[in-house]
Amino acid sequence: GAVVSQHPSWVICKSGTSVKIECRSLDFQATTMFWYRQFPKQSLMLMATSNEGSKATYEQGVEKDKFLINHASLTLSTLTVTSAHPEDSSFYICSARDLSGREYNEQFFGPGTRLTVL
Amino acid sequence: GQNIDQPTEMTATEGAIVQINCTYQTSGFNGLFWYQQHAGEAPTFLSYNVLDGLEEKGRFSSFLSRSKGYSYLLLKELQMKDSASYLCAVMDSNYQLIWGAGTKLIIKP
Repeated sequence: GAVVSQHPSWVICKSGTSVKIECRSLDFQATTMFWYRQFPKQSLMLMATSNEGSKATYEQGVEKDKFLINHASLTLSTLTVTSAHPEDSSFYICSARDLSGREYNEQFFGPGTRLTVL
Repeated sequence: GQNIDQPTEMTATEGAIVQINCTYQTSGFNGLFWYQQHAGEAPTFLSYNVLDGLEEKGRFSSFLSRSKGYSYLLLKELQMKDSASYLCAVMDSNYQLIWGAGTKLIIKP
């Protein structure tokens, strides 16, 4: 099956620092990757849709200058949380869509990154 | 607006059967997904329905009625490891996944 990895699995940082999270599709090419955020006991919230070679599409209320997304290749997308603050502490999950040879548009999820900002 | 409704929490007994319902209102429909999510982990795919009817996969089955905007996930022969949150998600006309808040399933011995 399709595998998506995320790095790091967890990170603790000081307020004001920037944190980069990587999302990789290991055995397929992903033209589209999605970044989600999930607060405790809440559902997944889509932050942005990342398309290879073009600018990401951000959901309403998500600051694009704070959450920088780069999708430089068909297997890698990065999310950088700039000047992180405690309220940015959350579980960040990426997913990738593999359309080749599949009968439907399943999204494959990475294992998630738990960010704690002190 | 787009909306997915599912119960917040359900409790069931090991070995029993449980049905988790999901109703939806979305702009367009390109299929309904069920995902399982254990605490602190990412969601894992369980099922996909795009046509009306029942899809069976081992102990898990998923049903869809497009005219009623309704789906359910049926879990049989419950095991303790089935304790998790179950997320219903609908793919809209833009192929965007709209997520429900999830149903936390508690399995008791």
